[in-house]
Amino acid sequence: GNSVTQMEGPVTLSEEAFLTINCTYTATGYPSLFWYVQYPGEGLQLLLKATKADDKGSNKGFEATYRKETTSFHLEKGSVQVSDSAVYFCALRLNTGFQKLVFGTGTRLLVSP
Amino acid sequence: EAQVTQNPRYLITVTGKKLTVTCSQNMNHEYMSWYRQDPGLGLRQIYYSMNVEVTDKGDVPEGYKVSRKEKRNFPLILESPSPNQTSLYFCASRGTGENQPQHFGDGTRLSIL
Repeated sequence: GNSVTQMEGPVTLSEEAFLTINCTYTATGYPSLFWYVQYPGEGLQLLLKATKADDKGSNKGFEATYRKETTSFHLEKGSVQVSDSAVYFCALRLNTGFQKLVFGTGTRLLVSP
Repeated sequence: EAQVTQNPRYLITVTGKKLTVTCSQNMNHEYMSWYRQDPGLGLRQIYYSMNVEVTDKGDVPEGYKVSRKEKRNFPLILESPSPNQTSLYFCASRGTGENQPQHFGDGTRLSIL
C-alpha cells in the first residue's frame, strides 16, 4: 500500500541549530511529495513540494530533495528559529484519480532561544 | 482572500446527539476532503468529493456522512456521535489542475462525552 513514515518527535533544538526530519515513503507509481507545517491552533500550510525524482523543494530556508533510490524526502534547515516551532507533516500524493494525500504521523519541532 | 472556513472551531457534545460541521471554500474548487487528526496517526481521510453530488469514502468513513449539494460547501455529519469520534477535523479543497496545492481550514476540535 501507500504510506509515509516520519521520525518520532518531539525534536528539541536550540536556536540556530541544524534541523533534519526524516521521511520515507512507500508508493505505487510515482507520487508527488510534500511537507506541510501546522502552527498551534491552525490548519496545515504547504511548506514545500517536489513532483519528480531529484527535484528539490525549498521555502523559508527549508529544503527537501526527492530521492527515488532511497524513497526519502528528508526535511532540512540550516539554522532554525524559535518561530519554526510547529508540527511538520510529510505527505505523498498519488497522481491518479482523486490524487489523495497520504500523511505521515507528524513530527513536533520545539526550538528554544 | 482564498479561504476554507470551518464551523464551529470547537464543540463539546454528548454521545448520540447529531451534529454537523460546516465547510465552505471561496476558490471555486472542485475537490474537497475531510480529514481527522489523531495523535500518533497523522491525518486520515474520512470522505472526499470530486464535484457537486459526487462523493466517496476515504480511509475512515465509519460513523460519518457528507453531502455536496453546492460546489462551495461540504458539510460533515455525525448522525450519532460516539466518544471515539473525539478528534481534530480538517476540511480541505483543491483545484483539478496538475500540482494544485491543497488548502486547509483551521480545524474543528470535537469532544464527544
